[in-house]
Amino acid sequence: EPEVTQTPSHQVTQMGQEVILRCVPISNHLYFYWYRQILGQKVEFLVSFYNNEISEKSEIFDDQFSVERPDGSNFTLKIRSTKLEDSAMYFCASSDGQSLLPYEQYFGPGTRLTVT
Amino acid sequence: GNSVTQMEGPVTLSEEAFLTINCTYTATGYPSLFWYVQYPGEGLQLLLKATKADDKGSNKGFEATYRKETTSFHLEKGSVQVSDSAVYFCALFSNDYKLSFGAGTTVTVRA
Repeated sequence: EPEVTQTPSHQVTQMGQEVILRCVPISNHLYFYWYRQILGQKVEFLVSFYNNEISEKSEIFDDQFSVERPDGSNFTLKIRSTKLEDSAMYFCASSDGQSLLPYEQYFGPGTRLTVT
Repeated sequence: GNSVTQMEGPVTLSEEAFLTINCTYTATGYPSLFWYVQYPGEGLQLLLKATKADDKGSNKGFEATYRKETTSFHLEKGSVQVSDSAVYFCALFSNDYKLSFGAGTTVTVRA
């Protein structure tokens, strides 16, 4: 069964460094998402991406964050200068966008980002 | 804005016990409601969903009914197994095309 994959599973970085989290969505899907979960808190929406542009973003998704679909398979989340409070589990998701609403979102296993 | 509140965990049960996880929501419009499950080391998987009031979602012995009058979508299972040990997330999808999640409830089932 097709699945969303994410790499790495765990990333440790120093404050101020740039990180790139990678996701490979399901191949025929059209909508892509990033969510994050700070330990002990809710899963929060960050951004959605469709047709090679951001379709919606939350207030969390400030200028330090960017997303890109550099080729036909990868979907990346970049954090330019990490802060301690960026430590969280980051989930990528995709949906086909062709079935009836609500589009089912398929999630990856997550990347745990630790900023020291 | 949209929000979901779910029962705090952790919840520890014996096999064959009855499980209930409460979930209530606040939303504009007519949201669709979901339960996602996360097994250890895996991603979030859709467990069940309901798209309108009074709909009942069911899967793998789990059930939840969309109650508009109480703005609730409580998850239930009559007889849990060790393999049901996981984190369960209630979520809603509304006009803004994104999922709003609850905090998650960790369930541990003992043999």
